[in-house]
Amino acid sequence: KAGVTQTPRYLIKTRGQQVTLSCSPISGHRSVSWYQQTPGQGLQFLFEYFSETQRNKGNFPGRFSGRQFSNSRSEMNVSTLELGDSALYLCASSRGTGNNEKLFFGSGTQLSVL
Amino acid sequence: GENVEQHPSTLSVQEGDSAVIKCTYSDSASNYFPWYKQELGKRPQLIIDIRSNVGEKKDQRIAVTLNKTAKHFSLHITETQPEDSAVYFCAANDYKLSFGAGTTVTVRA
Repeated sequence: KAGVTQTPRYLIKTRGQQVTLSCSPISGHRSVSWYQQTPGQGLQFLFEYFSETQRNKGNFPGRFSGRQFSNSRSEMNVSTLELGDSALYLCASSRGTGNNEKLFFGSGTQLSVL
Repeated sequence: GENVEQHPSTLSVQEGDSAVIKCTYSDSASNYFPWYKQELGKRPQLIIDIRSNVGEKKDQRIAVTLNKTAKHFSLHITETQPEDSAVYFCAANDYKLSFGAGTTVTVRA
């Protein structure tokens, strides 16, 4: 069974640009959660999508948005990039809701904002 | 919302010794407490989890204990080996999983 796939692996953008990250969950998993990882800050929850609906959202500005398609694939968009958005963005999939069972993480997208 | 604090932030142990990482959480309604291990340059992976109806769980050299009254839980690694070197994250749930800031464990040969 294929694992969680994130593309692209690396991204370099400049301030003010926007970026779209993609996440393909494990087959059969309906939940996709997104996390931002920065050194010393752990994993900060961005949002969770379940069956194409945003189930929950973390404390990030509206510049961070996402969506989920009927095949459970998810995308995350960040508009008007800021230097502080530089981070590793991880998505994780689970069969049910992402707050109560094992999460399977992707390898992440490393975003650098210059 | 849930707030998870994790200590220590770094831990260096001699191979063969034990390692203990402690976490506290704030939401008394939390009922699921997983631990993830992230090796350098790799994705986080679940190593053990515990639910609120259990006080302790073991899996070979790894054990987790939970004290719901005090709202803290701990990860214990016995007989540490070089492959245990990684960053370990604890987490607790409310409407989402809230992660601690991580503990970098280094096992010295």
